[in-house]
Amino acid sequence: QKEVEQNSGPLSVPEGAIASLNCTYSDRGSQSFFWYRQYSGKSPELIMSIYSNGDKEDGRFTAQLNKASQYVSLLIRDSQPSDSATYLCAVIYGGSQGNLIFGKGTKLSVKP
Amino acid sequence: GAVVSQHPSRVICKSGTSVKIECRSLDFQATTMFWYRQFPKQSLMLMATSNEGSKATYEQGVEKDKFLINHASLTLSTLTVTSAHPEDSSFYICSARDMGGVQETQYFGPGTRLLVL
Repeated sequence: QKEVEQNSGPLSVPEGAIASLNCTYSDRGSQSFFWYRQYSGKSPELIMSIYSNGDKEDGRFTAQLNKASQYVSLLIRDSQPSDSATYLCAVIYGGSQGNLIFGKGTKLSVKP
Repeated sequence: GAVVSQHPSRVICKSGTSVKIECRSLDFQATTMFWYRQFPKQSLMLMATSNEGSKATYEQGVEKDKFLINHASLTLSTLTVTSAHPEDSSFYICSARDMGGVQETQYFGPGTRLLVL
């Protein structure tokens, strides 16, 4: 059973702080890893994609991948109230048709 | 990022009618698109995988005769909810697989909110 695990939260951080979101996955054959942000009532929006071990930075967002530990994380620096949303970790497993396996999502709340 | 559109964004229909939802990749070709359904406060649920030029692959429990999928071109997939009933009311979202870059990425459309009266 291919699984993606996330802490459902809610994760509450003050404005300006760093929010740290974590995700683990079960299949070592995974190739592609994504973080999506979903606001209530809206469809998911791609925030970050990462494919190799290490860090990938894009603005206030940093994705970290550790394939040996089967772990992927998302750091949000200088968190803003507008970052409040559900963050979905998603994985594409090797040999699949490319369908995303989602975690249940972590709800982030950034308090002003 | 790449853009995926959906049409209509919102539809209200009477019970027993059919509703067609279009999903288009606007600036890339997508041999594979995916259809999801999301009920309020629940996770995305994959309904089917749509492959250009071939039959869709449906997830367990999804009725292929009720949810007709056609992927006639590299930029368009359609989902038709046939004989819709109130329990089909949901948020339907498509995603498109972009294989044109160095690595693959998937982008979601904005979703279609269906209300069946």
